[in-house]
Amino acid sequence: EIVLTQSPATLSLSPGERATLSCRASQSVSSFLAWYQQKPGQAPRLLIYDASSRATGTPARFSGSGSGTHFTLTISSLEPEDFAVYYCQQRNNWPPLSFGQGTRLEVK
Amino acid sequence: VQLVESGGGLVQPGRSLRLSCVASGFNFDDYAMHWVRQAPGQGPEWVSGINWNGVIIDYVDSVRGRFTISRDNAKNSLYLQMDSLRVEDTALYFCARDRVPGNSNYFDPWGRGTLVIVSS
Repeated sequence: EIVLTQSPATLSLSPGERATLSCRASQSVSSFLAWYQQKPGQAPRLLIYDASSRATGTPARFSGSGSGTHFTLTISSLEPEDFAVYYCQQRNNWPPLSFGQGTRLEVK
Repeated sequence: VQLVESGGGLVQPGRSLRLSCVASGFNFDDYAMHWVRQAPGQGPEWVSGINWNGVIIDYVDSVRGRFTISRDNAKNSLYLQMDSLRVEDTALYFCARDRVPGNSNYFDPWGRGTLVIVSS
C-alpha cells in the first residue's frame, strides 16, 4: 500500500500570501496524484489531477507540480475562500486508492 | 450532476446496513463509481470501487469480505451492503463518481454523504 505523507499538518498564512503544500509518497506514483479541497461540512472537491492538471472550475491561482514521490500544491495568492483542508490522493498503485492525512490551511 | 446518498444510521456492532446513492445529471452507465468514507476528524479513506458494468470491483482490505458494492444502471443507483459492522466503520460515507467515463480513479464529484454510526 502506498502511504502519502502531507506537510505541514497546519499552515498559517494571511490572505494574499503564497501557500505551498507538500505531499510525499512512500513509493513512486508517477504523475498519478490528485489534490482535493475540503471545507467544513462539505465533501472534498477535486482541484488538481495527474499532478498538474486543473479540474473544471479550479481557479488559475491553484497549481500542482511534481512526479514520482514528491508533489506540491501551490496557491499563488490566497483568497479568503481558500482556507480549508487539502488532501492528496494517488491512483498509481491500487487497491487501495489512498489519501494523505491532510494539511489544514488556516488564517494567520 | 448530483449524487444523493441514503441509508446511514445508528447500528449495533455485528449488524448490517445498506447504503444507496442515486445519481442524476450524467450518463450513469458510462462511469465507474466509488464509496469513500471519512471518520470524524480524519482524512478520507477509499472503501470500494466498481466499473461501469459491475465486472471490475475492489475493496480496501479492512472491509473485504464484509462489504459488497453493486450498481443498477437501470436505476442510476450505486449500493454498498455492509455486513458484520465494526465500531471502526463509523464514518460519513460518500458516493463519488469517477472523474471521466471509464476509470480514472479520481473522484469528481462527491455526494454530501450519509452518516454511519456503529455503537452498542
